[in-house]
Amino acid sequence: GDSVTQMEGPVTLSEEAFLTINCTYTATGYPSLFWYVQYPGEGLQLLLKATKADDKGSNKGFEATYRKETTSFHLEKGSVQVSDSAVYFCALSDRGITGGGNKLTFGTGTQLKVEL
Amino acid sequence: AAGVIQSPRHLIKEKRETATLKCYPIPRHDTVYWYQQGPGQDPQFLISFYEKMQSDKGSIPDRFSAQQFSDYHSELNMSSLELGDSALYFCASSLDRGSYNEQFFGPGTRLTVL
Repeated sequence: GDSVTQMEGPVTLSEEAFLTINCTYTATGYPSLFWYVQYPGEGLQLLLKATKADDKGSNKGFEATYRKETTSFHLEKGSVQVSDSAVYFCALSDRGITGGGNKLTFGTGTQLKVEL
Repeated sequence: AAGVIQSPRHLIKEKRETATLKCYPIPRHDTVYWYQQGPGQDPQFLISFYEKMQSDKGSIPDRFSAQQFSDYHSELNMSSLELGDSALYFCASSLDRGSYNEQFFGPGTRLTVL
């Protein structure tokens, strides 16, 4: 079945440091890939997405590129802020399935702590 | 913009009791997904509904049941609650377009079983 593997946390960085959170996936087809962020006590928010190979998703300074050859979707940000402290989940869903079949498969989440 | 609404936000129950969680999708969204997130865990897919019919099923215990009503809201019914059912339960809704359907998540219901 489909699966997502992401680096374990917590990841602790100083403000303005460069961030990389690794994510690799296993899927039978060509999934859509997502990064979700969860702030303490809150729900899941979509951070960015990519729906086909070589697509780059970007939002709020975060970027991730859909690499089919390495089955990866690593999250990067050039300069993190304290407000970026949260748990980040990599996820995938099968594409092209109609009728409510696009369930999300999540990685285990990576906690990011950004310190001054 | 309207978001996904879940109620209640917090629920405390005793073992062997029942619980009902409600989800109100974004207007005109036709698909609802339920996920369970245990403490420190990733969200796990439970079940989904499209146009009021069950469309997919994941790791949902037999003690749980769910349905989607004519107004597209959904309810997750949980019986014979166990301590291990304590978790954050998310509902997400989407509009089925066939190729890519972004899911919008509600704030979750935190269930505590004592």
